[in-house]
Amino acid sequence: KAGVTQTPRYLIKTRGQQVTLSCSPISGHRSVSWYQQTPGQGLQFLFEYFSETQRNKGNFPGRFSGRQFSNSRSEMNVSTLELGDSALYLCASSGLAGGPRVETQYFGPGTRLLVL
Amino acid sequence: GENVEQHPSTLSVQEGDSAVIKCTYSDSASNYFPWYKQELGKGPQLIIDIRSNVGEKKDQRIAVTLNKTAKHFSLHITETQPEDSAVYFCAASRNTGNQFYFGTGTSLTVIP
Repeated sequence: KAGVTQTPRYLIKTRGQQVTLSCSPISGHRSVSWYQQTPGQGLQFLFEYFSETQRNKGNFPGRFSGRQFSNSRSEMNVSTLELGDSALYLCASSGLAGGPRVETQYFGPGTRLLVL
Repeated sequence: GENVEQHPSTLSVQEGDSAVIKCTYSDSASNYFPWYKQELGKGPQLIIDIRSNVGEKKDQRIAVTLNKTAKHFSLHITETQPEDSAVYFCAASRNTGNQFYFGTGTSLTVIP
């Protein structure tokens, strides 16, 4: 089975711009979560989508948004970029997320965003 | 919310020695505890996980122990090899969606 894929792998943007990142989960996985990783804050949860619905949301401003399509692919968008948004953005997918058990998350390679 | 603390932040061991990384969590409702290994330029890779109904789990050179009463869990790597050098993260989660809370990471260096 192919793993989680993320595109693009690297991005350079300037302050005030917006950016869209894409994630394709493992085939058959319906849950997609997004995390921001920085040296100072570590891995922080952004949001999770299941069956095209946002099911959980972390403590990030409204500039961070996402969506999920019917094929479970997901995108996240960051508007009005700030220097502090420079980070590695990781996507993780898991299967059977509709059940009572927490399911294992499998991470993609990430998109490294640099905001100048 | 959940708070996961991880120690040590850096660890150097000689090849062949054992390495132990410890994590504590605050939310007694957390019941799933995965460990991830992250190599430079890559995303975190799951190496082992444990659920709260089990006290210990082993997979070859890697083992995880869980003490629910004390709310801590540990990763044990035996017979370390240079390729074990990476950053290791612990995480905790509960049965309310797939929100994982991560520790701050341990940079492990195995010296040949």
